[in-house]
Amino acid sequence: GAVVSQHPSRVICKSGTSVKIECRSLDFQATTMFWYRQFPKQSLMLMATSNEGSKATYEQGVEKDKFLINHASLTLSTLTVTSAHPEDSSFYICSARGGGLAPDEQFFGPGTRLTVL
Amino acid sequence: RKEVEQDPGPFNVPEGATVAFNCTYSNSASQSFFWYRQDCRKEPKLLMSVYSSGNEDGRFTAQLNRASQYISLLIRDSKLSDSATYLCVVNRPTDKLIFGTGTRLQVFP
Repeated sequence: GAVVSQHPSRVICKSGTSVKIECRSLDFQATTMFWYRQFPKQSLMLMATSNEGSKATYEQGVEKDKFLINHASLTLSTLTVTSAHPEDSSFYICSARGGGLAPDEQFFGPGTRLTVL
Repeated sequence: RKEVEQDPGPFNVPEGATVAFNCTYSNSASQSFFWYRQDCRKEPKLLMSVYSSGNEDGRFTAQLNRASQYISLLIRDSKLSDSATYLCVVNRPTDKLIFGTGTRLQVFP
């Protein structure tokens, strides 16, 4: 299947710093990328939907000024957590759509575990 | 009410057992249904899509009942390697995937 990478896989930062996470589709062009967050023992929660060249669409309750999403090309989307706080500590996973036979099939990156001290 | 509801488990079963997971969804306009598998601290991986006619992939059988808004997954002849969390996933009509909280399966020797 299609491959999606994420970088970094793990990050530990101090409160108040900003953290950028990259999501890349390696062998296909992703028309749409999605960003999810997963807290321990909870389900994946969609944060935002990102289409190349346009502004991301955020889910209700997700602050767009805090979670900046840029989707500058068909193979790269970035999520920047600005002024991170301990409550932002979570597992952030991206997915990309466009590489599968099924039009709505999403391929997931390996995730980024963020710990804010 | 959550859009996708699953029994969190855990289901503890011996090797070789048959185990079934259920899932209900609330949005009757949903069109696509999936089961994903998620190992601890890893990303979810697609196990199988679920079709109205029911479908089978080796030891795994998925069923969909649109009238009841109910999805099931049956695993036969459980292996130790089947131990994971199984996520029921439904698409919203706007093409967004909604994940259940998952059902944890632990297969023991």
